[in-house]
Amino acid sequence: QQQVKQSPQSLIVQKGGISIINCAYENTAFDYFPWYQQFPGKGPALLIAIRPDVSEKKEGRFTISFNKSAKQFSLHIMDSQPGDSATYFCAASKRYSSASKIIFGSGTRLSIRP
Amino acid sequence: GAVVSQHPSRVICKSGTSVKIECRSLDFQATTMFWYRQFPKQSLMLMATSNEGSKATYEQGVEKDKFLINHASLTLSTLTVTSAHPEDSSFYICSARGDRFHTEAFFGQGTRLTVV
Repeated sequence: QQQVKQSPQSLIVQKGGISIINCAYENTAFDYFPWYQQFPGKGPALLIAIRPDVSEKKEGRFTISFNKSAKQFSLHIMDSQPGDSATYFCAASKRYSSASKIIFGSGTRLSIRP
Repeated sequence: GAVVSQHPSRVICKSGTSVKIECRSLDFQATTMFWYRQFPKQSLMLMATSNEGSKATYEQGVEKDKFLINHASLTLSTLTVTSAHPEDSSFYICSARGDRFHTEAFFGQGTRLTVV
């Protein structure tokens, strides 16, 4: 009930290509789905987040697609750049409770080849 | 977004000693703080959740006497690793959620603990 499954574990994309990372959740009580970007030796940083009442959210080159019926969501990075090389974590939580845990996926190590 | 400051960023200690890690929310009141542990190439593992003024809630398998968490104010939480051993070496990360941002959680920079 608490799991968030993320794939792939690692991903190599050519510069300028599209990077796609997928996640699936089980608990239908989750209503907040953030993506975090983490560089080596640093804490995660919020990249973009979505609520289940919308099917897509775009911020610059980053887009989240959300499929509520399938309980799946994905991150698309358009025009991928070497600076996007990092580990990406999807997550799920409940919105209106500051004490609610954030459940993280297993992470995807993204490498963008120049 | 809000800022969470974690200190120190790196610490090396001798086996058997204790180490304290501080996590501060700089521009918001953190009603809840979370402490995570991260092993190389792995995801974040939640260790405990703490609410200001009350005892921390530890995840299953986390030794509360080994990892002491104090959340004495709305801007400061501390994690003390007591009687540290080499197997406690890891990357520790704090996160905070608060009054202004019920939804978003903001993360500290992390602390690399090495026990020798």
